Amino acid sequence: GENVEQHPSTLSVQEGDSAVIKCTYSDSASNYFPWYKQELGKRPQLIIDIRSNVGEKKDQRIAVTLNKTAKHFSLHITETQPEDSAVYFCAASVAPGTYKYIFGTGTRLKVLA
Amino acid sequence: DAGITQSPRHKVTETGTPVTLRCHQTENHRYMYWYRQDPGHGLRLIHYSYGVKDTDKGEVSDGYSVSRSKTEDFLLTLESATSSQTSVYFCAISQEGTNEKLFFGSGTQLSVL
Repeated sequence: GENVEQHPSTLSVQEGDSAVIKCTYSDSASNYFPWYKQELGKRPQLIIDIRSNVGEKKDQRIAVTLNKTAKHFSLHITETQPEDSAVYFCAASVAPGTYKYIFGTGTRLKVLA
Repeated sequence: DAGITQSPRHKVTETGTPVTLRCHQTENHRYMYWYRQDPGHGLRLIHYSYGVKDTDKGEVSDGYSVSRSKTEDFLLTLESATSSQTSVYFCAISQEGTNEKLFFGSGTQLSVL
């Protein structure tokens, strides 16, 4: 079945610097890759997603890139701010049309002021 | 909050007792999910439902059962709770079609003593 690996598990950056979180997936049939942000004590919330027919997607300071050949995708956060501190999860769809998603183990991002 | 309500929000129970968690949605979404969240493991799919009386197992279904007798309610039951089932449980919904986005409930903190 699908397996999603996420790195690093923790990441500390200085405010204003960029942060990059990487995920790899195993099932070449996966076609949908969302990213979630979870603040302490809160529910995970979708921040950006990408489909397999697109190589890159941006939304203000965040972007996601997808390399289907290598089966990896990455989250990029530029000009980091203290409010970006949270746990970030990547996910991959199990197979087209199943609406099942497997999550990575999460990355705790700390933005140091 | 995408019209998702989880109950209870917190529960403490003893090993060997049955426990039922409830997820209620108000927007007629077809797909509903139960995930558990544990440190170092991220979000793991327990069971999901793709319609009334239609359910399927996820990654970590052992020791759990689910039922969906109405579109709006998805119940997760621990027949005989064990300490390894101490976790935060999240319900999620997704709407069929081009919008595959998962929306999570607020979570249930379950402690099995």
